[in-house]
Amino acid sequence: DTGVSQDPRHKITKRGQNVTFRCDPISEHNRLYWYRQTLGQGPEFLTYFQNEAQLEKSRLLSDRFSAERPKGSFSTLEIQRTEQGDSAMYLCASSLATGNISPLHFGNGTRLTVT
Amino acid sequence: DQQVKQNSPSLSVQEGRISILNCDYTNSMFDYFLWYKKYPAEGPTFLISISSIKDKNEDGRFTVFLNKSAKHLSLHIVPSQPGDSAVYFCAASAPGGADGLTFGKGTHLIIQP
Repeated sequence: DTGVSQDPRHKITKRGQNVTFRCDPISEHNRLYWYRQTLGQGPEFLTYFQNEAQLEKSRLLSDRFSAERPKGSFSTLEIQRTEQGDSAMYLCASSLATGNISPLHFGNGTRLTVT
Repeated sequence: DQQVKQNSPSLSVQEGRISILNCDYTNSMFDYFLWYKKYPAEGPTFLISISSIKDKNEDGRFTVFLNKSAKHLSLHIVPSQPGDSAVYFCAASAPGGADGLTFGKGTHLIIQP
């Protein structure tokens, strides 16, 4: 399977703990995106990378959130001091930046539950 | 403030008939529009897209129509099949597209046998 891979699929944590999620994009894709989806809502943009550079961050991304893509391949999203409001599905997507617009390809997400 | 609106949370259609899913947007800077389909426990899957320079794009059973003056687009599925039952998200991007997509809340399409 050469699609976008996310790990873990599910994460249950206690409030105040730190969590880290991993995303492996489609190998030739140079853009990588993180989205968050809560029940009854569409995915909400958090941040994106072109290669290793983080080029855009949403105002939804509080200081407790940090994302990295150190070698321009896989990416990690860390949430520090988790809160119950962080419970959501975290989706990663990738695309290939060319002269034409390329649709985003999503992984199956990491479902975070903060208790 | 919802820039992409899908006002029907759910839609029920009989198998074989046409399904029409609607989407409205408010940001006149949007120039590229996409539809994604999502099954439970999976990520959204790209279905079809349309650029603002066109008013129609067709791919098999799926057709997307864009009315720029009304800031409205629709997805037509004909004939509808049981496997089409899913949540459909409308999404839009502004020029460059690099800052990601803005999604609607989705419409749950249910195809009845």
